[in-house]
Amino acid sequence: GNSVTQMEGPVTLSEEAFLTINCTYTATGYPSLFWYVQYPGEGLQLLLKATKADDKGSNKGFEATYRKETTSFHLEKGSVQVSDSAVYFCALEEDSGAGSYQLTFGKGTKLSVIP
Amino acid sequence: DSGVTQTPKHLITATGQRVTLRCSPRSGDLSVYWYQQSLDQGLQFLIQYYNGEERAKGNILERFSAQQFPDLHSELNLSSLELGDSALYFCASSVGPGSGRGAGELFFGEGSRLTVL
Repeated sequence: GNSVTQMEGPVTLSEEAFLTINCTYTATGYPSLFWYVQYPGEGLQLLLKATKADDKGSNKGFEATYRKETTSFHLEKGSVQVSDSAVYFCALEEDSGAGSYQLTFGKGTKLSVIP
Repeated sequence: DSGVTQTPKHLITATGQRVTLRCSPRSGDLSVYWYQQSLDQGLQFLIQYYNGEERAKGNILERFSAQQFPDLHSELNLSSLELGDSALYFCASSVGPGSGRGAGELFFGEGSRLTVL
């Protein structure tokens, strides 16, 4: 079946450092790809998405490019802030049949940014 | 605030017991999804309802059941609880049945943390 593999955390960075969180996927078709973020004590919220190969999703300084040839969707940010401390989830959207699409999530990567 | 409301926020119970978790979706959303988040398994999809009907099933145990009511709120029932059921249970909602590419934006509640002792 479809699956998502993320780099294991936790990741600790200093403020203004460059961030990369790796995500690779296995899918039978051409799924849409997502990054969700979970701030402490909150539910997940959509950060960005890409629906086809070579699409770049971006939001709040984060970006990720859908790479079909490497089945990857790595999350990057040029300069992280303390407020970016959260758990980041990579996800793919798969067809579960009957016209319904489901999200499959990676295990999450915890990011801590220190001043 | 996502607009999705889950109650209770925290629940502590004993093995063998039964609990009910409640979710109110965002206004206008017809789909409700239930996910279980645990340290070892990550975020696992349990079940989805769309406009009162079961739409898709994931890794939901037979001891667990759910339903969506005419007012679109949903309940997740967990019975014969085991220690391993301790987890954070999230409800999410979306406007449609989740069909169509890129329709994966779900709006999550803050979760119900279940502790089974």
